[in-house]
Amino acid sequence: NAGVTQTPKFQVLKTGQSMTLQCAQDMNHNSMYWYRQDPGMGLRLIYYSASEGTTDKGEVPNGYNVSRLNKREFSLRLESAAPSQTSVYFCASRNSYNSPLHFGNGTRLTVT
Amino acid sequence: GESVGLHLPTLSVQEGDNSIINCAYSNSASDYFIWYKQESGKGPQFIIDIRSNMDKRQGQRVTVLLNKTVKHLSLQIAATQPGDSAVYFCADGGGSNYKLTFGKGTLLTVNP
Repeated sequence: NAGVTQTPKFQVLKTGQSMTLQCAQDMNHNSMYWYRQDPGMGLRLIYYSASEGTTDKGEVPNGYNVSRLNKREFSLRLESAAPSQTSVYFCASRNSYNSPLHFGNGTRLTVT
Repeated sequence: GESVGLHLPTLSVQEGDNSIINCAYSNSASDYFIWYKQESGKGPQFIIDIRSNMDKRQGQRVTVLLNKTVKHLSLQIAATQPGDSAVYFCADGGGSNYKLTFGKGTLLTVNP
């Protein structure tokens, strides 16, 4: 069982470059999420998709866009990377409200 | 705003001892809570969850206690092992939306 798969695992960008973080889940979950994790800040929600065809902003959406490509895939795009976006990004999914999130192993992004 | 907090940022125990990790929440409408374990370089891993209609739930070597009166939950790990060394997060389901709010985490160190 792969669970939640994120690619790439590591990425270094220069300020102003763009990139897309990919996420796919094979658990047939309805909801998918993107979090960032920074030292001392915990996990902060960037965007989420409660079901296929819908996306909503989380706590820190500025500088990001998302696409729920289908039920399995949810991508996160940085249009113009900034050093403040240096972080570890986690994708997660769950079947429904009141069920646990299942996380991928993260993408470690450095913006110089 | 709503918050999920942890009483202790670090906890050091001897192998074989029981560990207790505490968490406070502030949203009185929250009805679902989750504990996660995160090892270095990995994504958060689901441990156990509890709904607000329960006071206690047990898993393998872990017990979660929920006190709705004082808005507090705890994770108890029995016979702590070196493999339990990790950061532990509580998460708050927040009531009727799809978003989880995470605490900043407690680092558990198990000394052999």
